[in-house]
Amino acid sequence: NAGVTQTPKFRILKIGQSMTLQCAQDMNHNYMYWYRQDPGMGLKLIYYSVGAGITDKGEVPNGYNVSRSTTEDFPLRLELAAPSQTSVYFCASSYGFRQGTNEKLFFGSGTQLSVL
Amino acid sequence: DQQVKQNSPSLSVQEGRISILNCDYTNSMFDYFLWYKKYPAEGPTFLISISSIKDKNEDGRFTVFLNKSAKHLSLHIVPSQPGDSAVYFCAASAVYNQGGKLIFGQGTELSVKP
Repeated sequence: NAGVTQTPKFRILKIGQSMTLQCAQDMNHNYMYWYRQDPGMGLKLIYYSVGAGITDKGEVPNGYNVSRSTTEDFPLRLELAAPSQTSVYFCASSYGFRQGTNEKLFFGSGTQLSVL
Repeated sequence: DQQVKQNSPSLSVQEGRISILNCDYTNSMFDYFLWYKKYPAEGPTFLISISSIKDKNEDGRFTVFLNKSAKHLSLHIVPSQPGDSAVYFCAASAVYNQGGKLIFGQGTELSVKP
């Protein structure tokens, strides 16, 4: 019963490097999300997807890209890492929108990223 | 522009007593509210939710109260247990906000002491 799986758990990048944070869910959820958590700032939405092939920006999309080629996978790409992207990143999924407790998100365990 | 605010970064409570976590919001279009609980090195997990058509929702030891006129909600935990020690986030969504996008507060770290 994996749920939402994120890899890697930890990563240190140098300024200007690129990397992809992986996220996969096995619950056949339509909606997937990427959040970042900064100390004292709560969770900020970076990008979200309502289904395969459809993505849209959240509150803080600059410096990131996403793709959704399958229902299961939703990778987050950092092209030119900057110190401001040091954060904990959470991927989440949900069944749908406005269908009971669809806003009930299922989160992965997070990726702690440091950009030095 | 912080639409959902948790003004208390931390709260310490004795085991067996009541814990009250507060959350304020500014957007009157929010119509669904949730609380999430987060342990260290784990992702947040859903705890309890409430629709704006209600003013109270109860689930075991957890009760959420909604005061729409004050744009305020609170989470009550009775009785508090050491295992409740975690960071609690409140979150809100609006029907016009397609995609079920939640707006989260900053979180309150609850410590329940034996």
